Formats: sequence, C-alpha cells, structure tokens
Amino acid sequence: ELKVEQNPLFLSMQEGKNYTIYCNYSTTSDRLYWYRQDPGKSLESLFVLLSNGAVKQEGRLMASLDTKARLSTLHITAAVHDLSATYFCAGGSNDYKLSFGAGTTVTVRA
Amino acid sequence: GAVVSQHPSRVICKSGTSVKIECRSLDFQATTMFWYRQFPKQSLMLMATSNEGSKATYEQGVEKDKFLINHASLTLSTLTVTSAHPEDSSFYICSTQGDGYGYTFGSGTRLTVV
Repeated sequence: ELKVEQNPLFLSMQEGKNYTIYCNYSTTSDRLYWYRQDPGKSLESLFVLLSNGAVKQEGRLMASLDTKARLSTLHITAAVHDLSATYFCAGGSNDYKLSFGAGTTVTVRA
Repeated sequence: GAVVSQHPSRVICKSGTSVKIECRSLDFQATTMFWYRQFPKQSLMLMATSNEGSKATYEQGVEKDKFLINHASLTLSTLTVTSAHPEDSSFYICSTQGDGYGYTFGSGTRLTVV
C-alpha cells in the first residue's frame, strides 16, 4: 500500500519569502500529484509529475520529483497572500487509486 | 478539459434518513469513479471505487451496506448514504480520471446529519 507523508503540516509564510513543502512516499509510484484546496472547496489540480527529474512550474509554484529518493517538493517563490490554502500531494498506484498526504495548511502573512 | 458535476453541494438531513449524491461526467465517459470522504481539517480518504456496470469495490473499514454506490451508466455515478447518523457528516468528493494521467474532481458535497 502506497503511503504518502507530507511536511510540514502547517506553514506560516511571510510575504515575499520562499518556502518548500516536502512529500515522501513509501513505495514505487510513477505518478505524483499536487493539489490545492481552498476552505469549503474541492481540489484544484496544480501539477502532475510523471518521471524522475520532472520539474514543472506555474507562476510562483514549482514542483519536482525524485523517484530514487521517493521525494517530491513544492517550492513557493516570493509568497503572496493569494497562495494561502491547503496543499496536498498524492501518489498514484498501479490500480489508479490515489493516496493523499495529510496536507499542508499554508497561511501567508504580510 | 474534463468536468465532473457533483450535486448537491450541500445537504442537511435528519438522522436515520438516506441521502443520494450524484456525480456526472460532462462531455466524456467515466468508466471508473472514485469516492472520497474528507473530515474537517483532514486529508481525503478513499471510500470506494465504482466501475460502470459492475459492483463497487470498497476500501477496508467502509461499510458497503451503508454507503451504496451505483455506476449504472458511463456518465453517472451515485453514492447513497443510508440511515445517516451525525458521524457521517463530512465532505464527500468524487473523482475520475480525466485527460492523460490527470484526475478530475467534483465540487464536493457537504453533508450534515442532524
């Protein structure tokens, strides 16, 4: 069973600074996903990472995948208030099920 | 892109009654639908997987007689919470594979049992 550990669980960011969220997974997974969830809302897809060394960027967010280390990171550059949300990583299994991390609640303060 | 329409968005029901949640795939066929439950400030937990035309498979610890899943067509999957109790109050989200390797999520249903 694929287990996904995410840290930190809570992240208080200062506007303008850089931060990283880490996602470790327990067994081989060929797909790693990052999602954003706003309070009371469903999930919004951010990134799909499919291969070792994959790096994807969208605005102030950049995600990478190291399959050898079983680690994915979500890097936030120059945090802004609009990025306050909960971020989830999820690993995909061969049976197409997703296993989610616990989530990282991000609060960006001025 | 692929869109999954989920209804209702919010429902309040009395303890002991049943509630049906629908997820419809718009403009594409969803052979598989994943149903998740999310308690406040927690992650998503997979409850069951429904496949069009066959019985759903449930994750360990999920009562199949309480959470009835039907996937009668390629565009509609339903989750019925039977004899709901306050502890069933949660946020229920459906999801299916969209384009490529991505997944599309419904907008979620906030169930409150009083």
